[in-house]
Amino acid sequence: AQSVTQPDIHITVSEGASLELRCNYSYGATPYLFWYVQSPGQGLQLLLKYFSGDTLVQGIKGFEAEFKRSQSSFNLRKPSVHWSDAAEYFCAVGLSGNTGKLIFGQGTTLQVKP
Amino acid sequence: DGGITQSPKYLFRKEGQNVTLSCEQNLNHDAMYWYRQDPGQGLRLIYYSQIVNDFQKGDIAEGYSVSREKKESFPLTVTSAQKNPTAFYLCASSAQGEADTQYFGPGTRLTVL
Repeated sequence: AQSVTQPDIHITVSEGASLELRCNYSYGATPYLFWYVQSPGQGLQLLLKYFSGDTLVQGIKGFEAEFKRSQSSFNLRKPSVHWSDAAEYFCAVGLSGNTGKLIFGQGTTLQVKP
Repeated sequence: DGGITQSPKYLFRKEGQNVTLSCEQNLNHDAMYWYRQDPGQGLRLIYYSQIVNDFQKGDIAEGYSVSREKKESFPLTVTSAQKNPTAFYLCASSAQGEADTQYFGPGTRLTVL
């Protein structure tokens, strides 16, 4: 069955430090991959997505992610974290077959220390 | 401004009552989705609709019902059969197809007392 794993439930980094959030997926076909961010009590905002082509994807707010097929991973990175980046981050896999369904990971909560 | 609206933001109901959550979009998207979010469990798909007058069950459809009479609207009814309805509910839409980005509304927090 398809699944998405975000191994880190909670991460704390200092402002200005680099960030990497991990995402691993289990899916037989070529996946469509997404990273979303959610502020408390709000909806989800798309950060970036991978469909095909270049495996390093640039997104909004200075985020990037790299698709590694051999490791079934799609880790999110940011070189320098800002206090406003504190939020919950979700990785998702889009299923092929034209259903548009997404499978979400459990989320990683990012706390930023001043 | 184009987007997805969900109302109300907060909803309280007594146990045993049905309640309907509203979701409207003016993005001209064909597909719409309902998710439930519980702490530590990510988002789980309740129902989705790829076209007017058609919808499919997601992973946790029991105790919920939907309708899709208009392209812009996809209301979700939480029935009294839903054993644990207190949660944050998110509506999303996408243009169409497997590779399209889903855009999310602001969510409705339902509390059943």
